[in-house]
Amino acid sequence: GQNIDQPTEMTATEGAIVQINCTYQTSGFNGLFWYQQHAGEAPTFLSYNVLDGLEEKGRFSSFLSRSKGYSYLLLKELQMKDSASYLCAVSDRGSTLGRLYFGRGTQLTVWP
Amino acid sequence: NAGVTQTPKFRILKIGQSMTLQCAQDMNHNYMYWYRQDPGMGLKLIYYSVGAGITDKGEVPNGYNVSRSTTEDFPLRLELAAPSQTSVYFCASRIRGLAGYNEQFFGPGTRLTVL
Repeated sequence: GQNIDQPTEMTATEGAIVQINCTYQTSGFNGLFWYQQHAGEAPTFLSYNVLDGLEEKGRFSSFLSRSKGYSYLLLKELQMKDSASYLCAVSDRGSTLGRLYFGRGTQLTVWP
Repeated sequence: NAGVTQTPKFRILKIGQSMTLQCAQDMNHNYMYWYRQDPGMGLKLIYYSVGAGITDKGEVPNGYNVSRSTTEDFPLRLELAAPSQTSVYFCASRIRGLAGYNEQFFGPGTRLTVL
């Protein structure tokens, strides 16, 4: 099966940098996704990692270490609108159907 | 494109009632999924489909049924609503793309309360 763990809550101030960690255990890793979900809305795709290393996309970056079963999402120059839940999801190689397994999400609150 | 659409947005059901949650996508995606999200919990997969006429169970299928008669539509049926089915339901879809890369697009959700 899959076991995905991420912190429940984090807080930060506007303009700061925050790192949201995600650890996972899976029988056949085939990629890791980060989604952003604002309260009352649908999740929206942020990033995807399948190889080790850092993927940068504007203010957001995502890092993966497959040997450690570890990823993080780095948010720079935080803005109030970044207050949301951040979901880590793992794709399993054993699933040919693109099935994702989601963590519980990390609720980020950005203070002025 | 409208993307993934879901109706209704909100619904209150009495115990034992039945209803169908509608989901449609206009992106010609092969794969479609139904998730439920309970407060403080991650998304749990209920059912999924790889194409018209093909469906299969996810992690939490009990109390639900699905059908996929067309590529565009993937309705979720609750036959005998129970309070444990109070949740937010998301439909998602993705294209049959590169192995492993499978960004899913989500609909806006249906908030269901069973009293």
